[in-house]
Amino acid sequence: QKEVEQNSGPLSVPEGAIASLNCTYSDRGSQSFFWYRQYSGKSPELIMFIYSNGDKEDGRFTAQLNKASQYVSLLIRDSQPSDSATYLCAAEVSQAGTALIFGKGTTLSVSS
Amino acid sequence: EPEVTQTPSHQVTQMGQEVILRCVPISNHLYFYWYRQILGQKVEFLVSFYNNEISEKSEIFDDQFSVERPDGSNFTLKIRSTKLEDSAMYFCASRTSADEQYFGPGTRLTVT
Repeated sequence: QKEVEQNSGPLSVPEGAIASLNCTYSDRGSQSFFWYRQYSGKSPELIMFIYSNGDKEDGRFTAQLNKASQYVSLLIRDSQPSDSATYLCAAEVSQAGTALIFGKGTTLSVSS
Repeated sequence: EPEVTQTPSHQVTQMGQEVILRCVPISNHLYFYWYRQILGQKVEFLVSFYNNEISEKSEIFDDQFSVERPDGSNFTLKIRSTKLEDSAMYFCASRTSADEQYFGPGTRLTVT
């Protein structure tokens, strides 16, 4: 069974701090990994994706991938109250159709 | 900025009835997907569609479900005989040949 695991949280950080979100995956065949943000009652909104080992930066967000450890993380620098949401980690697990398998998400709360 | 659109936003139906959920993917996208999210649970893959045929489907996507691209713009999900456990948010997503999947706003299906 292909799984993506996330700590459900809540993760609480003060405004301006760095939030660190983590994710592990079970399928070594997974090639691409995605971070989505989901506000309550809304659809997943793509933040960024990563497919190479190492770091990838986009504005205040940095995704990190370690395929040997089957570990993906998302760092949010200078966290803002508007970043308060559930963050979903997803792995693309097949070549045909490229389905995404999602974790349950980590709830982030940024206090002002 | 182009967006995936879905209609209706909320559908209420009685158990045993057929429902059709509609999606308009982003115009130059080639791959289309349906996902669902039961309240409080993770986003689950249902089916992917490429080149006018299903390319992958999950165990959830049984004979009660079907998808169709009836014209050049719409992508539909049909549930033939709804059950109470089909109540969920249904998300359509699309992508180009690149990796990122973009989600529509969702249809909330309530089966009574």
